[in-house]
Parts: sequence; structure tokens; C-alpha cells
Amino acid sequence: DAKTTQPPSMDCAEGRAANLPCNHSTISGNEYVYWYRQIHSQGPQYIIHGLKNNETNEMASLIITEDRKSSTLILPHATLRDTAVYYCIVRVVRTGANNLFFGTGTRLTVIP
Amino acid sequence: KAGVTQTPRYLIKTRGQQVTLSCSPISGHRSVSWYQQTPGQGLQFLFEYFSETQRNKGNFPGRFSGRQFSNSRSEMNVSTLELGDSALYLCASSWDEGYEQYFGPGTRLTVT
Repeated sequence: DAKTTQPPSMDCAEGRAANLPCNHSTISGNEYVYWYRQIHSQGPQYIIHGLKNNETNEMASLIITEDRKSSTLILPHATLRDTAVYYCIVRVVRTGANNLFFGTGTRLTVIP
Repeated sequence: KAGVTQTPRYLIKTRGQQVTLSCSPISGHRSVSWYQQTPGQGLQFLFEYFSETQRNKGNFPGRFSGRQFSNSRSEMNVSTLELGDSALYLCASSWDEGYEQYFGPGTRLTVT
């Protein structure tokens, strides 16, 4: 699975959009980009995933660049409850490998 | 739909003892994965079970083992506990590999 690079921490004002970047310059054609977040001492929570098209769900939007070497997770209107560590994970979806490799993630702090 | 449940939530054991942790996946999910989270190493994959068979394994010593029952419930066992086994143990379930994984709240194990 390709390695990802994320900034260690970011701040965002409450009500503003939070844009969390992720670099995955060695991603291969069959690797998906997944985002999870972990609120303090809880289990990680799935947010969104995509292959090459932009994706949106009720929680967030995922923007993947055309060359797929980077992506951005967008929380459109950040709230205090969005304060968490956000993990960007790149993985091949293949039989026999249902494991996630978590890096160090980005600690997002939403400020009132 | 009920989420992933883990029992117990907190556990204190002594070095040399063994421990068994339990995980009940979301109804219908056949894949159960286990992860260890420590401040120093972050989130690390232990192993995954699918239809009662271990399908994938991380880089942990043989003291860490698991099993899955016909109802998809899973247990993990750690024998001869060491101080370094103190961690948050997380279980995640999914329909199959490639599908999003849903995490339980974790079991916090303290070894003294």
C-alpha cells in the first residue's frame, strides 16, 4: 500500500470549512484513498473513500487530484465535535488484505 | 442497526497473566479485524478473521492469537502479558475486504 503524508496538526474556526490535505505521490492505479477519524479515546470512524472521482457524503467531500498524487478531505462547516485525528489511508482492495495501515494522521482542532 | 461492541471496556492484568477480549460485529458482517493502539506505535493491525478463518496477520508475536465463531463474534487472546501490551485494543467489522470498516469503542488493557 502506498505511503501517505499528512500535516501533523491543523486548526479551523468553528463554522468554517476544514480542508485536510494528504499526499500520496506513489499511489498506484488500483489503490483507493480512505479517510477515517478518531475522536479522543474512541474507535476510528469511517468518513469517505474514493478511487479517482470526487466523492461527497453527508459527512464530508473528498477531492482527488487528476494525477491522484494528492487528495483533500473537506468538512464543509466544522463544529467542535469535528475535533479529532484524521487519517488518510491508501490501500489496494484485493482478496485477503482487509487491513488498514494507519499513519500518524492530522490532529484537527476546531476553535470556537 | 447495533454497532460493534467490545467487552470488557477496561481491564487490569498482571505481567505473566493471559487475557481474552471479545468483539461482536455488526449483524451481517463476516470480517472482523483487530488493532492495537499505543501512544508510541499508533494504530497497528493485529489480524483479521473472515468466516472463522484467519485471513491476514500483522507483525505481532505468537502470544497474540484470535478466533472467530460461526456467528462472526471474535475473541483475541494475549498470553504471558508484558508491560508493553498495555494498549487500547480495537475491533472492526466489515461486510468483506474492501468495504468500510466499523470500529468498536475498544478495550483498554493495563498490564501492571
